[in-house]
Amino acid sequence: AQSVTQLDSHVSVSEGTPVLLRCNYSSSYSPSLFWYVQHPNKGLQLLLKYTSAATLVKGINGFEAEFKKSETSFHLTKPSAHMSDAAEYFCVVSPSGGYQKVTFGTGTKLQVIP
Amino acid sequence: NAGVTQTPKFQVLKTGQSMTLQCAQDMNHEYMSWYRQDPGMGLRLIHYSVGAGITDQGEVPNGYNVSRSTTEDFPLRLLSAAPSQTSVYFCASTPGVSSYNEQFFGPGTRLTVL
Repeated sequence: AQSVTQLDSHVSVSEGTPVLLRCNYSSSYSPSLFWYVQHPNKGLQLLLKYTSAATLVKGINGFEAEFKKSETSFHLTKPSAHMSDAAEYFCVVSPSGGYQKVTFGTGTKLQVIP
Repeated sequence: NAGVTQTPKFQVLKTGQSMTLQCAQDMNHEYMSWYRQDPGMGLRLIHYSVGAGITDQGEVPNGYNVSRSTTEDFPLRLLSAAPSQTSVYFCASTPGVSSYNEQFFGPGTRLTVL
């Protein structure tokens, strides 16, 4: 069995300050992990993914995430928030060997205050 | 490339009506999926297909049917709409079976069942 927990349903930051969106997972196998972003009334877009290579993963728009096996975490960070980062973010876990068992987190809405 | 397209963007149904949500992709992807998104619940898999002529159930298949006669198209049919099916529906495609592959999402269909 696998699961993913996004620890905050809402995060609010000021423009120019760091962003931290937290994700913990559980999986019986070595998983692949993804972060997707969803802007209002849009579909989901891939930000970055971890696939058992480097534990620090860089994505689009200055986002990065670090895979920490000992903590079963895959937190998303960005050094400086921009207004265009306001969106909902989903952490996703996919076990090795079967994409159809993908599990989505419940999402974190990021608000960026000017 | 248009990517993944979905029609209609919005739909209002009365309880008991049937309808088909359309999904098409022009990337020659093997895998296609249907998800529903409800507030606070992330995305949940309804049905998926690993290729033309092959479909299987996801986490929440009841009340929905799918078929896949071509690589490009993957329609979702609501047999007898119920208010519990009010949701935003996303179609996604991915190039292959590997769990490393990202999913490409359509823009969604917002369905209201009265």
